[in-house]
Amino acid sequence: QSALTQPASVSGSPGQSITISCTGTSSDVGGYNYVSWYQQHPGKAPKLMIYDVSKRPSGVSNRFSGSKSGNTASLTISGLQAEDEADYYCSSYTSSSTVFGTGTKVTVL
Amino acid sequence: EVQLVESGGGLVQPGRSLRLSCAASGFTFDDYAMHWVRQAPGKGLEWVSGISWNSGSTGYADSVKGRFTISRDNAKNSLYLQMNSLRAEDTALYYCAKDTGYNWNYGNAFDIWGQGTMVTVSS
Repeated sequence: QSALTQPASVSGSPGQSITISCTGTSSDVGGYNYVSWYQQHPGKAPKLMIYDVSKRPSGVSNRFSGSKSGNTASLTISGLQAEDEADYYCSSYTSSSTVFGTGTKVTVL
Repeated sequence: EVQLVESGGGLVQPGRSLRLSCAASGFTFDDYAMHWVRQAPGKGLEWVSGISWNSGSTGYADSVKGRFTISRDNAKNSLYLQMNSLRAEDTALYYCAKDTGYNWNYGNAFDIWGQGTMVTVSS
């Protein structure tokens, strides 16, 4: 199972909105509404930010939102803050495994 | 406090074995599927294996199939990963992660993560 494709880096100024894409195939992202997004700060464990494409776990800021169109899922961070600077990974359910994205480094300018 | 604590990592020679453990607390362990996810130094996340709430079903990444075995002991609130025939490419930080559901191969969102245990395979 090949990794999902994400841009290596995305940047934005404080207060702006940014969107991270996650491209897969009809066997993963496009085939199921089970896309998750994780935030990982350096030296820390990943944190679940979005699951089931667009649902937010309790305690996650509503500045984070998810969506999907065809084989591509997206994570949007609105009102960008310094604390949002981190690596972000998407993941998708498949019929026999979980596949993660290649990861995106978000930089707050 | 909801917590996962991994242990058992270390330096091991190629071809040898290692067993990782994950101790869970703060939630009803036997209500949820559990997974192992690894991250090689400076690299991205890679799903390794998952197990359903009652050990009735397990799954493995192609890269570890036939070499790694996942198991759990619900009476001890513990998850395990037996790793045999280790290779240099298995070098990574291994995370234990809790699923939001009870089947490992449905949905697959991981809402609780441990801090990881490092496995280094080198001669």
